Amino acid sequence: NAGVTQTPKFQVLKTGQSMTLQCAQDMNHNSMYWYRQDPGMGLRLIYYSASEGTTDKGEVPNGYNVSRLNKREFSLRLESAAPSQTSVYFCASRQGPINYEQYFGPGTRLTVT
Amino acid sequence: SQELEQSPQSLIVQEGKNLTINCTSSKTLYGLYWYKQKYGEGLIFLMMLQKGGEEKSHEKITAKLDEKKQQSSLHITASQPSHAGIYLCGADRRAQKLVFGQGTRLTINP
Repeated sequence: NAGVTQTPKFQVLKTGQSMTLQCAQDMNHNSMYWYRQDPGMGLRLIYYSASEGTTDKGEVPNGYNVSRLNKREFSLRLESAAPSQTSVYFCASRQGPINYEQYFGPGTRLTVT
Repeated sequence: SQELEQSPQSLIVQEGKNLTINCTSSKTLYGLYWYKQKYGEGLIFLMMLQKGGEEKSHEKITAKLDEKKQQSSLHITASQPSHAGIYLCGADRRAQKLVFGQGTRLTINP
């Protein structure tokens, strides 16, 4: 099993460009999450999907959109990238809503110039 | 301020020494998770604690949950270079969200 996979691993964008970060899990998990990690800020939740067909905002959703394509895949889209979105993005999944550990992908390092 | 405060924020210890990292919550703890992150990589799950007084161990790492104090501690015995990294605590909150502390950066000196 690959676990949680993310593409791309690195990306450089210019301000105003758009892109989609892809995430897939092969553990048949119901819940999937997108986080960003910034120095001194820890992990902050951007969006999550409790189950296929549902998505909800997290702590820092502005400037992002998500799509739960199917049970396996959960994508994060930046419509018009801004330098403030320079960060490391992590996708995670878990079996249920609480009391289950989250499994994390390797991350995408995004730089917006 | 963060819902989960970790202390210390960074820690440098000599190989072979013991160390403790603390995670304090501003809200009642129901489920507490510990993760380890190697520099530039994703998070690796270490342990989950659900009940007050619960204690779990994995190799030389022990985690405890003090529900009354709304605090968890992570203790490493006889530290090794492989223990180096960033340790993060996470806690379940309402509506299926998981919040994290800011992390503790651990350096092991030979």
